[in-house]
Amino acid sequence: EAGVTQFPSHSVIEKGQTVTLRCDPISGHDNLYWYRRVMGKEIKFLLHFVKESKQDESGMPNNRFLAERTGGTYSTLKVQPAELEDSGVYFCASSLGTSGNTGELFFGEGSRLTVL
Amino acid sequence: GENVEQHPSTLSVQEGDSAVIKCTYSDSASNYFPWYKQELGKGPQLIIDIRSNVGEKKDQRIAVTLNKTAKHFSLHITETQPEDSAVYFCAASRDGDDKIIFGKGTRLHILP
Repeated sequence: EAGVTQFPSHSVIEKGQTVTLRCDPISGHDNLYWYRRVMGKEIKFLLHFVKESKQDESGMPNNRFLAERTGGTYSTLKVQPAELEDSGVYFCASSLGTSGNTGELFFGEGSRLTVL
Repeated sequence: GENVEQHPSTLSVQEGDSAVIKCTYSDSASNYFPWYKQELGKGPQLIIDIRSNVGEKKDQRIAVTLNKTAKHFSLHITETQPEDSAVYFCAASRDGDDKIIFGKGTRLHILP
């Protein structure tokens, strides 16, 4: 069974440009999460989808970030316009149950974003 | 909100020795504490977890202890091997809150 897949694995863009990250969760996992890790810091929660609905987006930094999960399958995270501080590794994770209770989080390998 | 502190940030141990990573949390309502291991080029992977109704859990060479009173929990790896080299993250969450709060990670080096 395929795990969580993310694309691209690495993206280098200039400040002001737009980048879209994609995540394909494990088939059948209704819960999809986006996290971000800035170098040397914690893996920080961004948002949580249950199917196509945003359950919790309290971690989204600002309105330059837009996440979607149309149809409840794959998800995209768009950063527009990108700023230097957006650099980091963006992780997607999926689970059957909610992560805080019964659902183990399965992470993708991450998309490394470098904003120059 | 919850805050998870993790120490040390880097740890080097001789192969065969034990490694201990410590974490503290701030929210007394937190009741689920997973540990994730991230190998180079891969995403974090759950290696062990503990819930607040137990004080210790063991799985082969890995054990986790929890002190609810002090709000401390620790990961213990015995008889370390080269494949234990990775970044380890502790985390905490509570019922009713779907997000997991992670620590900053510990880079563990196993020296030959």
